[in-house]
Amino acid sequence: GDSVTQKQGQVTLSEDDFLFINCTYSTTTYPTLLWYVQYPGQGPQLLLKVTTANNKGISRGFEATYDKGTTSFHLQKASVQESDSAVYFCALVDIVNTGNYKYVFGAGTRLKVIA
Amino acid sequence: EAAVTQSPRNKVTVTGGNVTLSCRQTNSHNYMYWYRQDTGHGLRLIHYSYGAGNLQIGDVPDGYKATRTTQEDFFLLLELASPSQTSLYFCASSDRGANSDYTFGSGTRLLVI
Repeated sequence: GDSVTQKQGQVTLSEDDFLFINCTYSTTTYPTLLWYVQYPGQGPQLLLKVTTANNKGISRGFEATYDKGTTSFHLQKASVQESDSAVYFCALVDIVNTGNYKYVFGAGTRLKVIA
Repeated sequence: EAAVTQSPRNKVTVTGGNVTLSCRQTNSHNYMYWYRQDTGHGLRLIHYSYGAGNLQIGDVPDGYKATRTTQEDFFLLLELASPSQTSLYFCASSDRGANSDYTFGSGTRLLVI
């Protein structure tokens, strides 16, 4: 079945550092890919989404490129702030059958940014 | 803006106890989902529903039942709770269509002792 792999369980950075969170996926289709962010004490919320292969999604200074060749959807940000500290989930949309779908989430990467 | 409300916020029960987690969404979304979140496993789908009366089995359904009584309300039932079900539970909803976003609730933290 479809799967999403995030190997980095935790990332610790200082403010203004460059952020890179690795995400790879496995599927037989060309899915929509997403990044969700979960701040402490809250549910996950959509950060960015890309529906077309080889396109880039950009939101709040974060960006991710849907790379069909390497089946990757890495998340990047040029300069992190302490307020970016959160858990980041990569996900893909799995088509269950015609008209029905569900998300498949990665294990999540906890980002801690030190001021 | 879509809202998903979960209750209770926190719950403690004993092994073998009976627990019901509630979820209500107010944006007339068709789809609703129950996830559990555990360190190292991310978000794992327990059960989901395409509409009132409809139930689908997720990826980790053992030990859980679910009921979708109305379009707004989706319940997760643990009839014989076990310590392995100690977790953070999230409900989510979405509209029809593969490009519709999930809206998550704030979660219910369950401790089974």
